[in-house]
Amino acid sequence: EDQVTQSPEALRLQEGESSSLNCSYTVSGLRGLFWYRQDPGKGPEFLFTLYSAGEEKEKERLKATLTKKESFLHITAPKPEDSATYLCAVQETSGSRLTFGEGTQLTVNP
Amino acid sequence: DAGVTQSPTHLIKTRGQQVTLRCSPKSGHDTVSWYQQALGQGPQFIFQYYEEEERQRGNFPDRFSGHQFPNYSSELNVNALLLGDSALYLCASSLYGLEAFFGQGTRLTVV
Repeated sequence: EDQVTQSPEALRLQEGESSSLNCSYTVSGLRGLFWYRQDPGKGPEFLFTLYSAGEEKEKERLKATLTKKESFLHITAPKPEDSATYLCAVQETSGSRLTFGEGTQLTVNP
Repeated sequence: DAGVTQSPTHLIKTRGQQVTLRCSPKSGHDTVSWYQQALGQGPQFIFQYYEEEERQRGNFPDRFSGHQFPNYSSELNVNALLLGDSALYLCASSLYGLEAFFGQGTRLTVV
């Protein structure tokens, strides 16, 4: 059974203080690893898809990386508007369902 | 592009009642998936529809059923509502089951 574990559960940063979120996964065959951002009471907003170990993708202050066992979401010089819950999900090769982690709740203080 | 739209946005039902939630996929998408998200948890996969058929199903009881129409829109039905069914219900659409884009969700409260 696919498993996704995200850490830390919650993270508080000062504006401009860079950090990383971790997503560890177990899957029989990885089709893709997805990162989403979710604001309170809203649906997840798609950020990145990573398909193979060594792949990296960037969007503004966010950079996602992938290894065979985990993915990192690096946040460089965050701003208060980056505050949200960040969700990681895996999709296996045998289907298209997403298995999500519990998320990391990020708070960036001004 | 309107993206994925869901209706209603909020709903309050009484235990034992039945509810229907609706989803219109992003333009050009052919696959619709439904997820349940309890407060403070990650979304849990309910089922997926493609070509008007249920293609995959998560670990949810038969009280949860769905339908996909020829225009790719979809409905989620839940019978005999329990208090534990209170959650945010998310619809996601994709093309061929690849990158999924989510709607804003329907907040269901069972009292």
